[in-house]
Amino acid sequence: AQKITQTQPGMFVQEKEAVTLDCTYDTSDPSYGLFWYKQPSSGEMIFLIYQGSYDQQNATEGRYSLNFQKARKSANLVISASQLGDSAMYFCAMSPYTGGFKTIFGAGTRLFVKA
Amino acid sequence: DGGITQSPKYLFRKEGQNVTLSCEQNLNHDAMYWYRQDPGQGLRLIYYSQIVNDFQKGDIAEGYSVSREKKESFPLTVTSAQKNPTAFYLCASSISARSNEQFFGPGTRLTVL
Repeated sequence: AQKITQTQPGMFVQEKEAVTLDCTYDTSDPSYGLFWYKQPSSGEMIFLIYQGSYDQQNATEGRYSLNFQKARKSANLVISASQLGDSAMYFCAMSPYTGGFKTIFGAGTRLFVKA
Repeated sequence: DGGITQSPKYLFRKEGQNVTLSCEQNLNHDAMYWYRQDPGQGLRLIYYSQIVNDFQKGDIAEGYSVSREKKESFPLTVTSAQKNPTAFYLCASSISARSNEQFFGPGTRLTVL
């Protein structure tokens, strides 16, 4: 069965420091995509970064990078130079290339950025 | 601006009443989805639609119904049969049923009194 695990219910980070949010997954699909979304207190889901299972390089988007270790089935999100506005819930998600309707989400990690 | 709109943002209903949540997209996407989010949890799929006039049950469809009469619209009805309807509901869309990148609306918070 497919599964996403985020083991950190809450994380604290000092402003301007880097933080890593953990995500491990399990799937039998040969091809899949991994996503990270940010959910601020307003509720909308904001797409941050995407990694395809066959991508050779780790994805980066501005201050976000995805540390993809396929053999270990992990897809950790690294946020560099944390800002107060980064305080939010962060969700890891996985979807096979065969269909978005099979997307599954982790339980999320709440990040608190301290001034 | 292209995007997904959901209305209303907050919704209150009395126990035993049906209520319909709106979801509209102008992205010209074929596929649309409804998710439910409970406090401290991730999203769970209620229903999805791959194309107009077609929809399929997700993991937690009991007590919900949908329609897809137009490409841009995918309303969700929470019926009185849904035992615990208080939750945050998110609508999403993707270019096609085979596309795994989803775009989300702002959500509707439903509270049953």
